[in-house]
Amino acid sequence: NAGVTQTPKFQVLKTGQSMTLQCAQDMNHNSMYWYRQDPGMGLRLIYYSASEGTTDKGEVPNGYNVSRLNKREFSLRLESAAPSQTSVYFCASSPWGAGNTIYFGEGSWLTVV
Amino acid sequence: DQQVKQNSPSLSVQEGRISILNCDYTNSMFDYFLWYKKYPAEGPTFLISISSIKDKNEDGRFTVFLNKSAKHLSLHIVPSQPGDSAVYFCAASHTGTASKLTFGTGTRLQVTL
Repeated sequence: NAGVTQTPKFQVLKTGQSMTLQCAQDMNHNSMYWYRQDPGMGLRLIYYSASEGTTDKGEVPNGYNVSRLNKREFSLRLESAAPSQTSVYFCASSPWGAGNTIYFGEGSWLTVV
Repeated sequence: DQQVKQNSPSLSVQEGRISILNCDYTNSMFDYFLWYKKYPAEGPTFLISISSIKDKNEDGRFTVFLNKSAKHLSLHIVPSQPGDSAVYFCAASHTGTASKLTFGTGTRLQVTL
């Protein structure tokens, strides 16, 4: 039972490089999310997709773009990586609507040097 | 502006005793609250939740209490076990935001033998 799968798990980038984090879920969930976790900051929402075909900014969207490719897949792109984007990134999914539990992937560790 | 606050970064409890983790929130629109548990190098996993129409929810050793007037919730773990050692995140959402969660900064629980 895979749940939410993220790739890559680890990545080192140079400042200015671009990359895409991939995420797929097999729970038939409508909503998908990208969070980042930094020391002392908890998890902060970058972007979310309430349903296929829609995307919205979260708390910290600057420097990121997202694509909801289909119901299963939601990717996060860094167009020009900066050291401030060094973080652990978590993809998550949930059924549509309020009051639903969000299920997380295992995380992607990104270092920008 | 931290809308969900966990003021204790860490907590140490002896095995068999009660662990009490606290969380405060400032947004009166929040109506659904969750606790997540996170082990190192893994994604957060859902533990227990409570709707604002309740003041208590219990699941085995875990109980969450909600005090709406004080904008405070707490997670009680009884009895605490060494496997409970992890970082615990409090999270909240409100009906108008699908399942978008706002997280606290986390409390690291250490259960000692």
